[in-house]
Order: sequence, then C-alpha cells, then structure tokens
Amino acid sequence: AQRVTQPEKLLSVFKGAPVELKCNYSYSGSPELFWYVQYSRQRLQLLLRHISRESIKGFTADLNKGETSFHLKKPFAQEEDSAMYYCALRGGFKTIFGAGTRLFVKA
Amino acid sequence: NAGVTQTPKFQVLKTGQSMTLQCAQDMNHEYMSWYRQDPGMGLRLIHYSVGAGITDQGEVPNGYNVSRSTTEDFPLRLLSAAPSQTSVYFCASIKAGSTDTQYFGPGTRLTVL
Repeated sequence: AQRVTQPEKLLSVFKGAPVELKCNYSYSGSPELFWYVQYSRQRLQLLLRHISRESIKGFTADLNKGETSFHLKKPFAQEEDSAMYYCALRGGFKTIFGAGTRLFVKA
Repeated sequence: NAGVTQTPKFQVLKTGQSMTLQCAQDMNHEYMSWYRQDPGMGLRLIHYSVGAGITDQGEVPNGYNVSRSTTEDFPLRLLSAAPSQTSVYFCASIKAGSTDTQYFGPGTRLTVL
C-alpha cells in the first residue's frame, strides 16, 4: 500500500535556526517523491522533487531508500518559510500526500 | 495556457443538496485527480482519471462521483451533500509518463450546512 507519514503537525523554530521536516513513506516499487508548499490561502506549489536533487529556496531533501525517508531540510530558516509543507509520493497513476506539517518561523 | 481552472471558488450548500465542482485543464494532460484538503489530514485523493472514459477511486471516494468525457474536463459531483464534505477541493493534472509535478487548480471552498 502507498502511504506517506509526516509525524509532526506543527514545527516551530526561530529565525536562523536549522529546520528539518520529516517524511516517511511506504511503497513496494520505486517511488517518486515530492515536497509541496502551500502559503496562506494559496494553491499548492512544488518545492522540490527527489529526481532532480535540486535546492530550492535553500531547502534540500535526500531520498533514503533504506530508511524509506525523504526529509526536508534547511540550514537557516527564514520568516517567509512559514507555510504548510506536504510530502507526496507518486506510484503508478496515483499521487498520495502526507497530512502536512505547519512550519512556523519566529522572529 | 490557463492551466488548471476550477469553479466555483466558494460554495455553500444545505445538507442533501447536490452540486458539481468543475475542473478543466488546457494542457492536454491525460491524468487528472480530485483531492480534498482538511486540517490535520492533508490532501486525500478522492477520484482520479488516467484518460477520457477512465476513472478510478482514490482514498476517500464515498459520496462523490466523477466522469471524464473529454480530456479537458473532470467534474466532481456531490449527489447529496453532507456536513462531513465541508472542505477545500483541489483538482490536479499531469501528463502521462511525465516526471514533472502535478499542476493544481486554485481550489473550491465548500461549506455544507
């Protein structure tokens, strides 16, 4: 079965502190993994995908197949990073999302 | 390209009423999906389609119907609305075989009283 788990509903950090948003997945095949971000009352937008191994807005995420994880990291959080973050897994025709983590960056 | 469009943006229904949420895309994407977004539960897949005439159930299909008569349109029907269907609904599309992201519509905020 396809499953995405984001264990933290809320993560609160101070500006300049490192941040890690956790994502674990369950999938029997080779998954495609994504991180999406949703700013207040806006539509979801792609932040990054594991396939491209890119860094967007200072965020990176590494796929760890052994631990079935795809954690999102940023070394120095900024106030504008405050948003909802969703981890997503695409397997076959379907894309399944985690429950999301709300990141709150305090000044 | 307009991308993925959804109408209406907001809707208030009474319990038992029916309505259709519209979704259209002009990117010739084969795959289209409907999600509902609820606090603490993230986005849950309702129904999806891999092409005209082909639909399948997602994680939470009960109470919703879909059809896909054209590549462009993927309407979501609520036959008898219930308060539990109060949510924000997002439509998304992607080209078959693409490693690209899904493209999301702006959402429809539905309240069932």
